[in-house]
Amino acid sequence: DTEVTQTPKHLVMGMTNKKSLKCEQHMGHRAMYWYKQKAKKPPELMFVYSYEKLSINESVPSRFSPECPNSSLLNLHLHALQPEDSALYLCASSRVGGSQTTYGYTFGSGTRLTVV
Amino acid sequence: EDQVTQSPEALRLQEGESSSLNCSYTVSGLRGLFWYRQDPGKGPEFLFTLYSAGEEKEKERLKATLTKKESFLHITAPKPEDSATYLCAVQEHRGIKAAGNKLTFGGGTRVLVKP
Repeated sequence: DTEVTQTPKHLVMGMTNKKSLKCEQHMGHRAMYWYKQKAKKPPELMFVYSYEKLSINESVPSRFSPECPNSSLLNLHLHALQPEDSALYLCASSRVGGSQTTYGYTFGSGTRLTVV
Repeated sequence: EDQVTQSPEALRLQEGESSSLNCSYTVSGLRGLFWYRQDPGKGPEFLFTLYSAGEEKEKERLKATLTKKESFLHITAPKPEDSATYLCAVQEHRGIKAAGNKLTFGGGTRVLVKP
């Protein structure tokens, strides 16, 4: 299995809703990531989990809450979002690099989020 | 802070018309430079990793090269199916133990190949 699976593919939510995005991989990767991508812009890093622990939070607003229940799953809990949060949310995974090595990501297909 | 700049922003090619995309980067120490292809509404698809100046990698009609300041993605005799956005990303050395492999992406080059 060489895929990262994201659900749902599309999500429309109101500003008062609570929803969750899910990401799953079975490649044995111990680093998992959330990226946000606006139209015609590059992906922007939100969170990094390494060995199921949050290692990087790129000053993301608290209305986005990540969770890594186990080594295969990554969730992004959403609450009280704003219309400007509408974007493609990408999950990725990779092996954890050492001081002399690095590894590329495998990305999921993303969740297209629209906040109304 | 890492800086990654890609040029041109957009490229229109005729089928068979070879061209090159540029990725200029500024990092204190490069651990790796990555090329990805992204189709509309999809996640990026991994193409290449380059680690040191002088390194080259090829895959079908694509060839990536790396110098100390920039990388090029050469597209030889492109076909319409090569139309996509090509993203460059870098990872910087962050000490003995990296806290996850953070990648910083450039703005991308949108390539359109017309038949």
